[in-house]
Amino acid sequence: QVQLQESGPGLVKPSQTLSLTCTVSGGSISSGDYYWSWIRQPPGKGLEWMGYMYYSGTTYYNPSLKSRVIISGDTSKNQVSLKLTSVTAADTAVYYCARVSCPPGGTGYFYYMDVWGQGTTVTVSS
Amino acid sequence: EIVLTQSPATLSLSPGERATLSCRASQSISNYLAWYQQKPGQAPRLLIYDASNRATDIPARFSGSGSGTDFTLTISSLEPGDFAVYYCQHRSDWPPVYTFGQGTKLEIK
Repeated sequence: QVQLQESGPGLVKPSQTLSLTCTVSGGSISSGDYYWSWIRQPPGKGLEWMGYMYYSGTTYYNPSLKSRVIISGDTSKNQVSLKLTSVTAADTAVYYCARVSCPPGGTGYFYYMDVWGQGTTVTVSS
Repeated sequence: EIVLTQSPATLSLSPGERATLSCRASQSISNYLAWYQQKPGQAPRLLIYDASNRATDIPARFSGSGSGTDFTLTISSLEPGDFAVYYCQHRSDWPPVYTFGQGTKLEIK
């Protein structure tokens, strides 16, 4: 079955760029059947959607992060990447990648996350 | 922007009891609602999509209902492993913004 694995530095300095990679196994990010999304969770808090990408290159980002976040895909490596610029302590969180599905029947309404990575903790500190 | 409000914030029950968790949307979202379970130190797990459809391998004691603005997740008879935080989630049509509720913590009484 499909598995997602996040990786990247666990510590990032303030004002720098956070870069994470999600490696997908057991499925292809270029299949067109799913979106690929990043979600984060600050310590002790709830879930915040950051953005998604589709194999065509289409992306959309949370308006609250739009100017700082870039999500891209590398089909040759079957990876989805996240870049978050100008980080502050408020960006300290567990970062998850997730597969976004649509209901059976081909509605094309990709809205729920049916496969998640285990998450990776990123701390922003000098 | 659609806001999802979950209640209660914390629910204290005993194993074997029935749990009823609520999620209210700030405007009608048809039945495009999902529910997730998250245990400490773990990623969320999809339980329900389309308000009432169980995801793969989800036990039948989990059920979802509702449409429009009011939704409910019911756990018919709580097992020890069910004590966790539960989130509801939706995606607006356009712009495609994904929103989570703030979560309900289900704790052992």
